[in-house]
Amino acid sequence: GAGVSQSPSNKVTEKGKDVELRCDPISGHTALYWYRQSLGQGLEFLIYFQGNSAPDKSGLPSDRFSAERTGGSVSTLTIQRTQQEDSAVYLCASSYPKGSRNEQFFGPGTRLTVL
Amino acid sequence: ELKVEQNPLFLSMQEGKNYTIYCNYSTTSDRLYWYRQDPGKSLESLFVLLSNGAVKQEGRLMASLDTKARLSTLHITAAVHDLSATYFCAVDGGPGYALNFGKGTSLLVTP
Repeated sequence: GAGVSQSPSNKVTEKGKDVELRCDPISGHTALYWYRQSLGQGLEFLIYFQGNSAPDKSGLPSDRFSAERTGGSVSTLTIQRTQQEDSAVYLCASSYPKGSRNEQFFGPGTRLTVL
Repeated sequence: ELKVEQNPLFLSMQEGKNYTIYCNYSTTSDRLYWYRQDPGKSLESLFVLLSNGAVKQEGRLMASLDTKARLSTLHITAAVHDLSATYFCAVDGGPGYALNFGKGTSLLVTP
């Protein structure tokens, strides 16, 4: 079946502009996660959605970052007034938590470059 | 805060050799995941370890979990070039929680 998809695959923007990144999770997956991977770094958790519950925003680095998940499916991560330190690969993952298993499946990522 | 430490961070090894990557974590958890990432690609799930003593094997890779020691290992047997990639371990606090990743181990297998 189809995996997690993300768009765009690459985004180049100027400092100060707003950007929107899109994630389409695996059909039927109730949980959706956004992570950020900076050059040479591990993955940094940003935000998590589970079903209709309020999202866990504890990983968002500043109030310039926000995310929505419409209809329990597609999610959009918005970065306002982008800064050069926002340059990274933004990865989306989805899962269907069942019992103790929470295997997350990752999309191909969006590479964001802020000039 | 849950911390996940991998070592080594960089590993260059010859084909045919064996080696082990270690993943230590700082809090009680019995759920650990190993992922592989090829350059410019996303993360691919390798192993899901859900209990103390769990051992999983796939080809030349074997992963194990010791929840009492808060340690997981990824053992590479008779390495081949195709195993060159970055390997991440990740721990979660429960179903539906975000994963906490180690910094990754960049593996290069040379002839």
